[in-house]
Amino acid sequence: TQLLEQSPQFLSIQEGENLTVYCNSSSVFSSLQWYRQEPGEGPVLLVTVVTGGEVKKLKRLTFQFGDARKDSSLHITAAQPGDTGLYLCAGRLGTSYGKLTFGQGTILTVHP
Amino acid sequence: SAVISQKPSRDICQRGTSLTIQCQVDSQVTMMFWYRQQPGQSLTLIATANQGSEATYESGFVIDKFPISRPNLTFSTLTVSNMSPEDSSIYLCSVEGGAVKYNEQFFGPGTRLTVL
Repeated sequence: TQLLEQSPQFLSIQEGENLTVYCNSSSVFSSLQWYRQEPGEGPVLLVTVVTGGEVKKLKRLTFQFGDARKDSSLHITAAQPGDTGLYLCAGRLGTSYGKLTFGQGTILTVHP
Repeated sequence: SAVISQKPSRDICQRGTSLTIQCQVDSQVTMMFWYRQQPGQSLTLIATANQGSEATYESGFVIDKFPISRPNLTFSTLTVSNMSPEDSSIYLCSVEGGAVKYNEQFFGPGTRLTVL
């Protein structure tokens, strides 16, 4: 059983469309991080959310942490081909530092 | 943040041999982690490497297969021992704490290992 369920697994859209990626769990996370990874590179940290209900914006990307800190979403507005990549959510249980539990990942392809 | 490098970036090895992967950070960090990832898939934590103590391994990973060293606050190695084709994967190190804020974890570029 996956502790952190990420969906969808694959997303193929046209440039200019909007999309949302979800991460859900039955466990409470002390924080949750979103990463983006391109082929041949390591994951790059996009954002960390800590407080229930928190919303963070990074240009066209909006991240939300659920009120109960069991779920999170990543919304991209007007997607561009440069957004193509593997998106990973990762939650932290218990203490504020230490090992991360990763979702399955979402492979996003944005077609020009 | 921190600048993290890994060596080698990729390697092709014969079954039964061992490979040591190095992870170097440009600043002192508290924790270093080693992950394994199949291309296009999620990450699985192998172990946590802390300076001055033995590494802590996750379920399914053992020290004899994946010995880890952490001689100082900027360097760690992961050895993949007695390799088989099932060990073909991307191996990533990450860091947190110290010069890197807690609650943020940064990753190296990865080492792509192919075992024939």
